[in-house]
Amino acid sequence: SQTIHQWPATLVQPVGSPLSLECTVEGTSNPNLYWYRQAAGRGLQLLFYSVGIGQISSEVPQNLSASRPQDRQFILSSKKLLLSDSGFYLCAWRVWGLNTEAFFGQGTRLTVV
Amino acid sequence: RKEVEQDPGPFNVPEGATVAFNCTYSNSASQSFFWYRQDCRKEPKLLMSVYSSGNEDGRFTAQLNRASQYISLLIRDSKLSDSATYLCVVNPFPGNTGKLIFGQGTTLQVKP
Repeated sequence: SQTIHQWPATLVQPVGSPLSLECTVEGTSNPNLYWYRQAAGRGLQLLFYSVGIGQISSEVPQNLSASRPQDRQFILSSKKLLLSDSGFYLCAWRVWGLNTEAFFGQGTRLTVV
Repeated sequence: RKEVEQDPGPFNVPEGATVAFNCTYSNSASQSFFWYRQDCRKEPKLLMSVYSSGNEDGRFTAQLNRASQYISLLIRDSKLSDSATYLCVVNPFPGNTGKLIFGQGTTLQVKP
């Protein structure tokens, strides 16, 4: 069966520090991968998505970047965090196809102080 | 106009009530539609897909209206455990570009 791992679960980082969040998927090949952010009390904002290795689509210009160095690995990074980067970061995967659902990792709750 | 819009609520209903949520989408070429449920401080989980002919899963019924570009979720006989945020999800383009857009969610609170 397929599983998705996302870590860490909670992170407190000072302003200006770097960030690296990692997400890995097991049990499937060539998944679509996604990074979403959810601010407190708000909806999910699509940050990045990838349909293959090295292919990254960015939805919102911001202080973050994403990379997909391996088929089932998706990394979210920042060189210098801002207070506004605080939020609940969710990684998701989805099988290629028209009506396929997305499955989420358990999320990382990031607080920038 | 946002790509996917929902009434954020909250909807406060008594146990046993029937409640309906709507979600509108802006891209008429959208092909895939889903409802997700998100509990407080947890990741979203699929509640049901939405098919063109409408579909039902127990107390939950989802419908798609392409002409008016909205999808709906009906919950019958509400339970306390139905309290959560319900997210509408749309693949806004034809084919698989990979993009999935979430609405901001509708909060439901079922009270005894």
